[in-house]
Amino acid sequence: DAKTTQPPSMDCAEGRAANLPCNHSTISGNEYVYWYRQIHSQGPQYIIHGLKNNETNEMASLIITEDRKSSTLILPHATLRDTAVYYCIVRVANNNAGNMLTFGGGTRLMVKP
Amino acid sequence: NAGVMQNPRHLVRRRGQEARLRCSPMKGHSHVYWYRQLPEEGLKFMVYLQKENIIDESGMPKERFSAEFPKEGPSILRIQQVVRGDSAAYFCASSPTGSGNGEQFFGPGTRLTVL
Repeated sequence: DAKTTQPPSMDCAEGRAANLPCNHSTISGNEYVYWYRQIHSQGPQYIIHGLKNNETNEMASLIITEDRKSSTLILPHATLRDTAVYYCIVRVANNNAGNMLTFGGGTRLMVKP
Repeated sequence: NAGVMQNPRHLVRRRGQEARLRCSPMKGHSHVYWYRQLPEEGLKFMVYLQKENIIDESGMPKERFSAEFPKEGPSILRIQQVVRGDSAAYFCASSPTGSGNGEQFFGPGTRLTVL
């Protein structure tokens, strides 16, 4: 699976949009971009994933550049409960050889009042 | 619909004892994954199991660690003769299929402390 690079930490004001970047310049054509987050002392939580089109769900939006070498996770109206470590992961979705998730260092997002 | 359940949530063992961590996947899920998170570090994959089969154990330490997922009952991660370096949070995740969209559902974790 391709390696990802994320800033170690970011701050965001409550109620504002949080934009979390991720670089994955070695991504392959059949690899998806996944985002998970881990709130302190809890298990990771799936947020969203995409291949090449932008995606949106009730939690967030995922913007993938046309060359797919980077992406941005957008939390449109961050709340204090969004304070967490956010992990960007790229992997093949239909990988029958193994479905593990490879977590990097992630971005520690601090939402401030 | 209950989520992934892990027990115990906290486990204290003395060096040399055995630790048994249990994971009950979500209903209808037949794939289980174990991850370990050392203090102040990210999660590291350990093992991937289906019912009665170990599919990928590339992340498991070669000694003292074993995992199983029997036909009936929870998945068990077993650590024999624990050492202080085994102190960590152990997370279990499950998915309804080994392929597909890659979403895994995580449990709350078991925090192992070795004295």
